[in-house]
Amino acid sequence: KAGVTQTPRYLIKTRGQQVTLSCSPISGHRSVSWYQQTPGQGLQFLFEYFSETQRNKGNFPGRFSGRQFSNSRSEMNVSTLELGDSALYLCASSSGQGGAQETQYFGPGTRLLVL
Amino acid sequence: AQSVAQPEDQVNVAEGNPLTVKCTYSVSGNPYLFWYVQYPNRGLQFLLKYITGDNLVKGSYGFEAEFNKSQTSFHLKKPSALVSDSALYFCAVRDDSGNTGKLIFGQGTTLQVKP
Repeated sequence: KAGVTQTPRYLIKTRGQQVTLSCSPISGHRSVSWYQQTPGQGLQFLFEYFSETQRNKGNFPGRFSGRQFSNSRSEMNVSTLELGDSALYLCASSSGQGGAQETQYFGPGTRLLVL
Repeated sequence: AQSVAQPEDQVNVAEGNPLTVKCTYSVSGNPYLFWYVQYPNRGLQFLLKYITGDNLVKGSYGFEAEFNKSQTSFHLKKPSALVSDSALYFCAVRDDSGNTGKLIFGQGTTLQVKP
């Protein structure tokens, strides 16, 4: 099976702009989660989507939003970019069924630099 | 609230020697614990997970982890380290409240294996 793919891999934006990141999960997986990784804060959970519905949300401002399509692909949007949004954004894919067998598999990430 | 802690920012070990990367956890229910590894400019790779049952979990690339309920620990181990094992290692616990896939990560431990 193909793994989790994320596009683009690298992005450079300026403050105030907006950005959209894309994630395609492993075939058959219905859950997509997003994480932000920074040197100072480590790995932080942004949100999870399952069957096109947001199932959980982390402690991020409303500038961070997402959505999931019927084919389970997900997009994440950040509006009014700030310098502190510079980070590696990771997408994780899982079956979404919960329980003991649930394992999240991560994509390679999108590195966002805000100037 | 569920949490994990990795008490060491960095672990140094000589090639061929055994390695241990430490993790302690705090959970309110069944602990679903994970180890991931991250190589430079890459996403997270799944190594292994603890569900319930055997206290010694075997994973990818010769890694294993020892679950200790009384000490609330889930240490990652390998009998003989390789230089190629040098990377950033994350311990994580899954927040299973509400059947979500949210992972809570430790701050990460850099493993340096020297020839």
